[in-house]
Amino acid sequence: QQPVQSPQAVILREGEDAVINCSSSKALYSVHWYRQKHGEAPVFLMILLKGGEQKGHEKISASFNEKKQQSSLYLTASQLSYSGTYFCGTRRIGAGSYQLTFGKGTKLSVIP
Amino acid sequence: DSGVTQTPKHLITATGQRVTLRCSPRSGDLSVYWYQQSLDQGLQFLIQYYNGEERAKGNILERFSAQQFPDLHSELNLSSLELGDSALYFCASSVEPAGDLETQYFGPGTRLLVL
Repeated sequence: QQPVQSPQAVILREGEDAVINCSSSKALYSVHWYRQKHGEAPVFLMILLKGGEQKGHEKISASFNEKKQQSSLYLTASQLSYSGTYFCGTRRIGAGSYQLTFGKGTKLSVIP
Repeated sequence: DSGVTQTPKHLITATGQRVTLRCSPRSGDLSVYWYQQSLDQGLQFLIQYYNGEERAKGNILERFSAQQFPDLHSELNLSSLELGDSALYFCASSVEPAGDLETQYFGPGTRLLVL
């Protein structure tokens, strides 16, 4: 029940926008977004709860479409520091523990 | 800095050997999760402990085991190591029972190289 992320990789020039999607075949309670720089720990960005609420973090925001069980991460006016691999982690409704299942990641490269 | 600590940072060992990875969760967090990340791969959930008890099990090999101690630190034991066990091993922690907005915070990881 691993969520599916798309695209697998994307290259942007500074200032361009990008959207990363995370889809699940299971009903989700929440979606958690992380960014990981090469060789470092994943860093928490934001959490989306079922209900379609949109959250923002500076120029990075996300939404959760409960009908589609899909979350999208929006990066606007990208900066070099946005480069890294973005992972979504999903928590299923009815899951007994607080376990997150992660997608395979989307590698984002921002170039000057 | 997430507040989760892991030791050692790097570990080089030979096939067939046994190693122990250590994790200290954030202050106040009762749950510890272990993940394996192979080269350019996603995060594979191994096992979760909550307040000393095993809570959930993922794709953990029988050669691997973990425990959480009364002071809440956790250890992941990897034995009969194979070349394919070379990976980054992350520990994460969270408060549980978790509120709606609680998430997992990752430690810096232990890079294991099996030669």
